[in-house]
Amino acid sequence: AQTVTQSQPEMSVQEAETVTLSCTYDTSENNYYLFWYKQPPSRQMILVIRQEAYKQQNATENRFSVNFQKAAKSFSLKISDSQLGDTAMYFCAFMKLSGTASKLTFGTGTRLQVTL
Amino acid sequence: GAVVSQHPSWVICKSGTSVKIECRSLDFQATTMFWYRQFPKQSLMLMATSNEGSKATYEQGVEKDKFLINHASLTLSTLTVTSAHPEDSSFYICSAREDLNAYNEQFFGPGTRLTVL
Repeated sequence: AQTVTQSQPEMSVQEAETVTLSCTYDTSENNYYLFWYKQPPSRQMILVIRQEAYKQQNATENRFSVNFQKAAKSFSLKISDSQLGDTAMYFCAFMKLSGTASKLTFGTGTRLQVTL
Repeated sequence: GAVVSQHPSWVICKSGTSVKIECRSLDFQATTMFWYRQFPKQSLMLMATSNEGSKATYEQGVEKDKFLINHASLTLSTLTVTSAHPEDSSFYICSAREDLNAYNEQFFGPGTRLTVL
């Protein structure tokens, strides 16, 4: 079974600064996806960024980028130019590709607070 | 992105009663739907996976007779909490996916807060 570990329960960053959230995972699979989801106070889960394991290039979405280290099984999220609206729970997630049986495994989450 | 709705957004019921939560995919056909449970300040725990027209697959430790899941159409799945008790109080989130390719994005509903008195 796959496990996803987020070792930072809470993080704080000042507006406009950069913050990095950590995630490690354990799997014996070679073909999988990794994700970062954001859950703001509204509780709506929002996909922030996705990384295919077979791609060496790190994914980037505007202010959000990842550092994917496959050998180390590490998948950190960097948020640049932090905004107050980035305040949320952030969940790292793993998914092995198994067709219709594919399902997400979530980490325990990191609560990010962006301050003025 | 695609939209997934849930109804109701919150519900309060008495202990011993049953509660039904609906999950709908509004603009796509949800081949696969997922039900999660989330306790305060915790992660999402997958309860079950359902495919349209077939029985749901429950995760280990989830009582299938207590949490009845029906996925009767490609746009609707329901979760019924039978004989609810206070320990069933939680936030329930559904998610839906249209399985067209090797990878297909999962879209999440806004969640339903269940409080059992």
